[in-house]
Amino acid sequence: DIQMTQSPSSLSASIGDRVTITCRASQRISTHLNWYQQKPGKAPKLLIYTASNLQSGVPSRFSGSGSGTDFILTISSLQLEDFATYYCQQTYTTPPTTFGQGTRLEIK
Amino acid sequence: EVQLVQSGAEVRKPGESLKISCKTSGYSFSDYWIGWVRQMPGRGLEWMGIIYPGDSEIRYNPSFQGQVTISADGFNSSTYLQWSSLKASDSGMYYCARHRSYDILTGFGFWGQGTLVTVSS
Repeated sequence: DIQMTQSPSSLSASIGDRVTITCRASQRISTHLNWYQQKPGKAPKLLIYTASNLQSGVPSRFSGSGSGTDFILTISSLQLEDFATYYCQQTYTTPPTTFGQGTRLEIK
Repeated sequence: EVQLVQSGAEVRKPGESLKISCKTSGYSFSDYWIGWVRQMPGRGLEWMGIIYPGDSEIRYNPSFQGQVTISADGFNSSTYLQWSSLKASDSGMYYCARHRSYDILTGFGFWGQGTLVTVSS
């Protein structure tokens, strides 16, 4: 299976900060990388698909980039509602697709 | 509006069987892959498998193959996740999720609310 490694595992930031979360694949996956946001007690929510495409309804402060093995999720100006856990997912191989271990974004 | 509504929380003993459901609405059920994702307490997301209701093709994560059964019922626009003999390690939250488009590479764009399964003697 392709292993997905996110960094950092946790992150403290303030409202208005620019935040980046990195996801690295154990082999090249082209742009078959999706990003999700999960809040406590809620189902995940798709933010970005195929590395850089913004899912409908997701605020434009979220963006994604990367290809091959290295990918970045950027939040340009943190809002209160953005404090959550973020997961990347590779869909280059199915089955199985694999998720990163998650990055917990907390208020500083 | 696409909706996925899952069955309620379940408590079972080890060795018991269980079938949980995910009822969909708002789209043509047979046209989109739909799958299941596990989240154990305090842990990350694990892709269990997906089914294409149009022809009942199923793709399992090898880690879950033989441990669970995924099925679909087009008449009820529902997908199911079934265990024949539960273990304590099956405890967790289970989400059904539908891909955002016909292209399964673009991720799960629609999710159920989750079904909490607790297996304890």
